[in-house]
Amino acid sequence: DVKVTQSSRYLVKRTGEKVFLECVQDMDHENMFWYRQDPGLGLRLIYFSYDVKMKEKGDIPEGYSVSREKKERFSLILESASTNQTSMYLCASSSPAGQVHYNEQFFGPGTRLTVL
Amino acid sequence: AQSVTQLDSHVSVSEGTPVLLRCNYSSSYSPSLFWYVQHPNKGLQLLLKYTSAATLVKGINGFEAEFKKSETSFHLTKPSAHMSDAAEYFCVVSVLNTNAGKSTFGDGTTLTVKP
Repeated sequence: DVKVTQSSRYLVKRTGEKVFLECVQDMDHENMFWYRQDPGLGLRLIYFSYDVKMKEKGDIPEGYSVSREKKERFSLILESASTNQTSMYLCASSSPAGQVHYNEQFFGPGTRLTVL
Repeated sequence: AQSVTQLDSHVSVSEGTPVLLRCNYSSSYSPSLFWYVQHPNKGLQLLLKYTSAATLVKGINGFEAEFKKSETSFHLTKPSAHMSDAAEYFCVVSVLNTNAGKSTFGDGTTLTVKP
């Protein structure tokens, strides 16, 4: 059974702290993604990576950075957490797009981050 | 550019009655379309996908969706709702000619199933 795991289900941090969210997939997927999910706003892409050490900004990268040192692991970093980063964070992975279509993404269970 | 609109933020049905969740999309190129379901405090799970083969797509748990290019729609249906279908549903469009891996998610539709 395919698996995407996230290091924490719930996390509480203080304003200004550096926060690391870890994601690991066991499907040998090239693509990995970080989204944040807020009520009424759906999922918004923060960053994605299509290969080790490669990354691209998504729609809302401000205040975040990422690291992908190994194929199976994709980390999201909040350099200095702020209260407006309180959200649900979802990691996903997928195999590369085919010639005519995209492949589906596989999601982790999410990390609910609260910044006080 | 691509976009997706889920026409209803909330849908409420009675158990045993049909479900219709509406999704319209726009894209400059042939899209790949997906429906995902998210149960409370869980990640998203793929229900079904359209990738330019048959226009009527069957998914898990009795759901299906029909790709209608002329209407730019990809509505999700189920003949008979079950209590376990209560969840949030997301329509997603991905277009191959955009940056690798970027998909656009709808805002979600919350499905309530009444006994």
